[in-house]
Amino acid sequence: DVKVTQSSRYLVKRTGEKVFLECVQDMDHENMFWYRQDPGLGLRLIYFSYDVKMKEKGDIPEGYSVSREKKERFSLILESASTNQTSMYLCASSPTQGSGNTIYFGEGSWLTVV
Amino acid sequence: QKEVEQNSGPLSVPEGAIASLNCTYSDRGSQSFFWYRQYSGKSPELIMFIYSNGDKEDGRFTAQLNKASQYVSLLIRDSQPSDSATYLCAVNLSPRAGGTSYGKLTFGQGTILTVHP
Repeated sequence: DVKVTQSSRYLVKRTGEKVFLECVQDMDHENMFWYRQDPGLGLRLIYFSYDVKMKEKGDIPEGYSVSREKKERFSLILESASTNQTSMYLCASSPTQGSGNTIYFGEGSWLTVV
Repeated sequence: QKEVEQNSGPLSVPEGAIASLNCTYSDRGSQSFFWYRQYSGKSPELIMFIYSNGDKEDGRFTAQLNKASQYVSLLIRDSQPSDSATYLCAVNLSPRAGGTSYGKLTFGQGTILTVHP
């Protein structure tokens, strides 16, 4: 089975702190994604990566950056956390070929910024 | 117009009934379509995907795709209380000219389904 692991499940951070959310997948998938999910707004794509050291902005990249130094690991960085970044963050991965590009999600990271 | 729209919920059906969930999409070039189920407080899990026009069945679930109408639906037969969840429709939109989609999915806002005993 595909496993996408988000190391931090629940975090509480202060405004202005730098926050790292880590994600690891074990299926050698080329593509990795960070989404956030908010009530009434659905799932929105923040950033994605299609290869090591490659990244592209999604629909809502402002206030975020990402890092992909190894194929299995994709990190989301909040340079200076703000209260409007309180949300559930979902990491996902997918193969470029096979499985119909199905996206597999991690369990989610609940971030509260106070 | 939103890129992916789902019928507004919440949807409530009695146990044993057929639940019908609908989704429309704006990009005529979209190639693949996905249904995810999300329980409260959990991450989305894939139910099934479909590429070709027509029906695709998997147990109690049937996905239906009509590309001409830009419409995809999910039917759940013999609904059970354990099917109560939010159902997300997702579409792999066609890439911009010269680009690739890299498997990005665009999600609808979800439909909350409640199956009552």
